[in-house]
This record gives sequence, structure tokens and C-alpha cells, in this order.
Amino acid sequence: KAGVTQTPRYLIKTRGQQVTLSCSPISGHRSVSWYQQTPGQGLQFLFEYFSETQRNKGNFPGRFSGRQFSNSRSEMNVSTLELGDSALYLCASSLRREVNEQFFGPGTRLTVL
Amino acid sequence: AQSVTQPDIHITVSEGASLELRCNYSYGATPYLFWYVQSPGQGLQLLLKYFSGDTLVQGIKGFEAEFKRSQSSFNLRKPSVHWSDAAEYFCAVGEENYGQNFVFGPGTRLSVLP
Repeated sequence: KAGVTQTPRYLIKTRGQQVTLSCSPISGHRSVSWYQQTPGQGLQFLFEYFSETQRNKGNFPGRFSGRQFSNSRSEMNVSTLELGDSALYLCASSLRREVNEQFFGPGTRLTVL
Repeated sequence: AQSVTQPDIHITVSEGASLELRCNYSYGATPYLFWYVQSPGQGLQLLLKYFSGDTLVQGIKGFEAEFKRSQSSFNLRKPSVHWSDAAEYFCAVGEENYGQNFVFGPGTRLSVLP
């Protein structure tokens, strides 16, 4: 069974631009979560989607948004990029909505110049 | 609010030596506990998890962890470290009714000497 895939793997943007990251979960998994990983703040939860509905949201500004499609694939969008948004963005999928093991993708490395 | 601490930022061990990585959490009810490993430039791989039952859990790659409620700890152990175990290790806590919103510790970087 294929793992979680994320595209693109690397991205370079400039301040003020917006970016969309994509995540395809493991087949059959309906829960998709997003995390931001930075050297200073570590791993921080962004949001979780299950059956196309946002179920949980972390403490991030409204510039960070996401969605999930009927095939469970998910996208996250960051608008008006700031230098501090440079990070590794990790997507994770899980079989169920309840707390359960999450399987992570390789991440998208976003650099904001 | 939940919190997870990993007191050791960086640990260096010799190949073949035993390993213990510490994890302490702050949470009122029974937590759902996880250990993940991350190699440079890669995502996180699940090593093991604890939900309930036997407090000593076995994972992949020869790792095990023990849940001690009285100490609010979930330490990761391996009897004999291999050079390929060099990576960053993260302890994480999940909470019932919070879905997949995990709180991660800051991580412990493991270096292995030949």
C-alpha cells in the first residue's frame, strides 16, 4: 500500500505570495492532518480534516487554510507569505476520526524569501 | 493544556550500547502516547504507540517503551543501538475528543559513534 504523498517536495516563494500544498493520504484513510515543523517552534498542529470537514484547528492565523476533497486528498493554502512561514509542512493520514496512529508524508519544504 | 517534554536535546551513544530516551507529559486523563523517528529530510515514522493495557509496548526496529503513570513518563529504550538509528526522536501525546491533534515534544537528536 502506498504511503502518504506530498507535492511539491520543495518550494521557494517570496513574501506576499500565496502557496498551495497537496497531500494524498494512504488509501482508505479519511483523516488528514497538517503540521508545521520549524527549528524554533518544533512540530505544531495546523488542522485536521475528516470527511471533507475541518474537525480541529491549531493556533495559526487565518492566512493558513485547508480543505479536503471527496477522495480524501487534502490541500493547504498559505496566503500573504511571511518569512516566518518558512518551514517543513508535514501531512499525516489516519484511518479513523478518533485519536489514532498517524502516518506521515515526507513533507514539503517551503522557503520564503 | 497538554505538554510534552524531552529533557535531552542531544544524546550520543556508541554502537552496540543501550539507549533510553526520556519523555514526560502533562495531561490529566490517560493519554495516547506515541514515539516517532525522523531521519534528515524525511517525514516521521511511527515506532510504537500506547493506548491502554500492558504498559510495556514493543515497536519496530527493536524499540520498546514503558508507560509509567505515576511518573507521567513514556521512555523509549533499545538494548543495542545500530548506526542506522541515528536520527531525531519525537514523543507525542494525543487526547480523546481531539482527534489527530497531537502535541509533540521538542525532540531528541541521537548520534551514534562507530
